[in-house]
Amino acid sequence: AQSVTQLDSQVPVFEEAPVELRCNYSSSVSVYLFWYVQYPNQGLQLLLKYLSGSTLVKGINGFEAEFNKSQTSFHLRKPSVHISDTAEYFCAVSAWADKIIFGKGTRLHILP
Amino acid sequence: DVKVTQSSRYLVKRTGEKVFLECVQDMDHENMFWYRQDPGLGLRLIYFSYDVKMKEKGDIPEGYSVSREKKERFSLILESASTNQTSMYLCASRLEGARGREKLFFGSGTQLSVL
Repeated sequence: AQSVTQLDSQVPVFEEAPVELRCNYSSSVSVYLFWYVQYPNQGLQLLLKYLSGSTLVKGINGFEAEFNKSQTSFHLRKPSVHISDTAEYFCAVSAWADKIIFGKGTRLHILP
Repeated sequence: DVKVTQSSRYLVKRTGEKVFLECVQDMDHENMFWYRQDPGLGLRLIYFSYDVKMKEKGDIPEGYSVSREKKERFSLILESASTNQTSMYLCASRLEGARGREKLFFGSGTQLSVL
């Protein structure tokens, strides 16, 4: 079975500062990893995904994440955040053709 | 683009009522999922279905059942609603297999309040 842990429930960061949202997973098999974003009063949308290949994946809105198999991590980063990045971010894990398990979410607060 | 439609955006029910939440997708996806979303708990999987008439329990199936009689429709049933089932319910669909590794498509959610 797979599980995912998002290490921070809330992350405050000043506008134009860099941010890292942390995600660790556990699995006995190869996994696929995702970050979803939920903007206020909106549905969930895919930010980026890791399926195979390059461990650095780029997503929408300037976000990127790095898959680290030895540390079982898939941290999300952005070099400079904007007020519009205020949202809740969910890390998710799935084995091939299996259910997708989500973390508890990290609320990103952008401070002016 | 794929459309996942949940029949109600807001629903208010009384304790003990039988509640049906409906979800329809229009892209012939094999896999469908029901999650509930609660503050601080993220999304928790209730049930999922690989295909018509197939269902698997997720992490929190107690108090729920599901029905998948047609490929496009996946219904979540609360047999006897209780106040602890007050939540946002999210339906999602996905292509099966290698193609399905890409992503889930989510509905806009049903906010259920049980009084």
